Amino acid sequence: AQKITQTQPGMFVQEKEAVTLDCTYDTSDPSYGLFWYKQPSSGEMIFLIYQGSYDQQNATEGRYSLNFQKARKSANLVISASQLGDSAMYFCAMRDPYEGGSYIPTFGRGTSLIVHP
Amino acid sequence: DAGITQSPRHKVTETGTPVTLRCHQTENHRYMYWYRQDPGHGLRLIHYSYGVKDTDKGEVSDGYSVSRSKTEDFLLTLESATSSQTSVYFCAIRGLSGANVLTFGAGSRLTVL
Repeated sequence: AQKITQTQPGMFVQEKEAVTLDCTYDTSDPSYGLFWYKQPSSGEMIFLIYQGSYDQQNATEGRYSLNFQKARKSANLVISASQLGDSAMYFCAMRDPYEGGSYIPTFGRGTSLIVHP
Repeated sequence: DAGITQSPRHKVTETGTPVTLRCHQTENHRYMYWYRQDPGHGLRLIHYSYGVKDTDKGEVSDGYSVSRSKTEDFLLTLESATSSQTSVYFCAIRGLSGANVLTFGAGSRLTVL
């Protein structure tokens, strides 16, 4: 079973508008972490934002914010004021709880975002 | 990122040949990972390492082996490459940009004919 589900294969947004990329996760452990990464067409993986399960406030990094709803097990990425350079694949990921010291991040299948001028 | 490099960046090989991909870090980070990326599958973990000579399998480890004889290098080997192993391979390390963050290499594109 998938631990990370991204239900939107593709999304379109108008430049300067806000967009929300959905991510739901599955874990029974109270301690976990959630990430978002961006992969532009050049192929590199760029870290955007991190949310710990015990963090009281939603994480924000510039135009990126993570809408963390623990009860719903969702960790949606909100991009405000979209720019053409935001066109990319976006991956949600979760780190598993520490088991014997291991640290296993699991990724979703990604959402392709296209920003229109 | 200068802290992590992958080689080769591109390789074309034939079915049945051995292939080794190298991941090199310039720091002393303990955790290193190999993922493969395929369309529609996102990134899937192949193997990971939590120290020198300490490695374990990920969800798609069949057909792959790894070695870590020193902290800075994590090698991924395909003993006998198959066409299903055509993919983009990413190495990642934890801790270069924050304790909880994975930093990825630039990727290695492997084509098995």
